[in-house]
Amino acid sequence: AQSVTQLDSQVPVFEEAPVELRCNYSSSVSVYLFWYVQYPNQGLQLLLKYLSGSTLVKGINGFEAEFNKSQTSFHLRKPSVHISDTAEYFCAVSHTGGFKTIFGAGTRLFVKA
Amino acid sequence: DVKVTQSSRYLVKRTGEKVFLECVQDMDHENMFWYRQDPGLGLRLIYFSYDVKMKEKGDIPEGYSVSREKKERFSLILESASTNQTSMYLCASSAQPGTEGSSPLHFGNGTRLTVT
Repeated sequence: AQSVTQLDSQVPVFEEAPVELRCNYSSSVSVYLFWYVQYPNQGLQLLLKYLSGSTLVKGINGFEAEFNKSQTSFHLRKPSVHISDTAEYFCAVSHTGGFKTIFGAGTRLFVKA
Repeated sequence: DVKVTQSSRYLVKRTGEKVFLECVQDMDHENMFWYRQDPGLGLRLIYFSYDVKMKEKGDIPEGYSVSREKKERFSLILESASTNQTSMYLCASSAQPGTEGSSPLHFGNGTRLTVT
């Protein structure tokens, strides 16, 4: 069975500081990995995805993530955050041969001025 | 852009009522999903559908049913609403047919349901 663990439920950070949101997954088969963002009172939207190939993937709004197969991690990073990045971020995993996307519990990013 | 529209942003229903949550997507996607979102639990899959009139149970189907009579529309039904079904409900769609999991999900803005 697949599972996703987001290691931090809340991450406060000052504007223009770097941030890393951590995600670990478990799966017995090859996976696809995603990060979604949810702004207040909205649905989720895709930030970035890893399907295959280069382990460093770049997404929208200056975010990037690195797939580390040996550590079963897919951490999200941004070198300099803005107030507008305040949102909830979800790591998710799916796999070949399945419809289901499994989500982590989410990490709330608070960017302070 | 794909648009997934959920008919209500907020709903307040009484215990025991039958509740319908409607979702429509405009991009001819094969797959549609219903999730519920609760603080600290992330998103949990209730039901999904990979074709018209086809449905599959997700991880938490108890107390729910679904209907997909047309490709663009996927309805979630609470047969007899209970207070533990108070939650945010999110509808999503994806383009990939078959059993491939690489296609990302496109979400609606959610329906916040309160059962009193």
